[in-house]
Amino acid sequence: KNQVEQSPQSLIIPEGKNCTLQCNYTVSPFSNLRWYKQDTGRGPVSLTIMTFSENTKSNGRYTATLDADTKQSSLHITASQLSDSASYICVVSLNAGNMLTFGGGTRLMVKP
Amino acid sequence: DVKVTQSSRYLVKRTGEKVFLECVQDMDHENMFWYRQDPGLGLRLIYFSYDVKMKEKGDIPEGYSVSREKKERFSLILESASTNQTSMYLCASSLGFGTGELFFGEGSRLTVL
Repeated sequence: KNQVEQSPQSLIIPEGKNCTLQCNYTVSPFSNLRWYKQDTGRGPVSLTIMTFSENTKSNGRYTATLDADTKQSSLHITASQLSDSASYICVVSLNAGNMLTFGGGTRLMVKP
Repeated sequence: DVKVTQSSRYLVKRTGEKVFLECVQDMDHENMFWYRQDPGLGLRLIYFSYDVKMKEKGDIPEGYSVSREKKERFSLILESASTNQTSMYLCASSLGFGTGELFFGEGSRLTVL
């Protein structure tokens, strides 16, 4: 069964600290993996997409990594800001058709 | 700027009422989706549409129907609302399947009493 597991479920960090969110998947055949950020009460917004051949991709203070062999991805946030408080959702796409598998999300709270 | 607009941010309905959730996108996307989001369960696909008048069931279609009469508009219908349909409903659109980025609306929080 295609699954996407995210950890931790929730995380509280002080402002300015770094953090890393994890995403493990069993989806096959793999096409790509996206990280979305969802602010409270809003719809998710794409942060980055990782394809099979990509290992690392950055978007400002957000850096996503992908290890296709171990089927793991991480999202690293550098020098966290209060505005980083949100849920982060990992979404894996199959290499055929319209199948997307969503992770349960990690809820990040950045405290002053 | 791309935009997906959901007609109602907050709705309160009574059990048995018919509920319409409207979604409009201005990006000329072929694909549109309805998800519901519940704590601990993540986003679950209810229905999607890849063309006008076309619809496909997602993972949890029971109790829902959809309508897509125009390319830009995708409606979710709850024929007889029940309390277990209390949830956040998110509409999304995309240009392509699989690799296409999903553009989400702001969400509609439905409470069924």
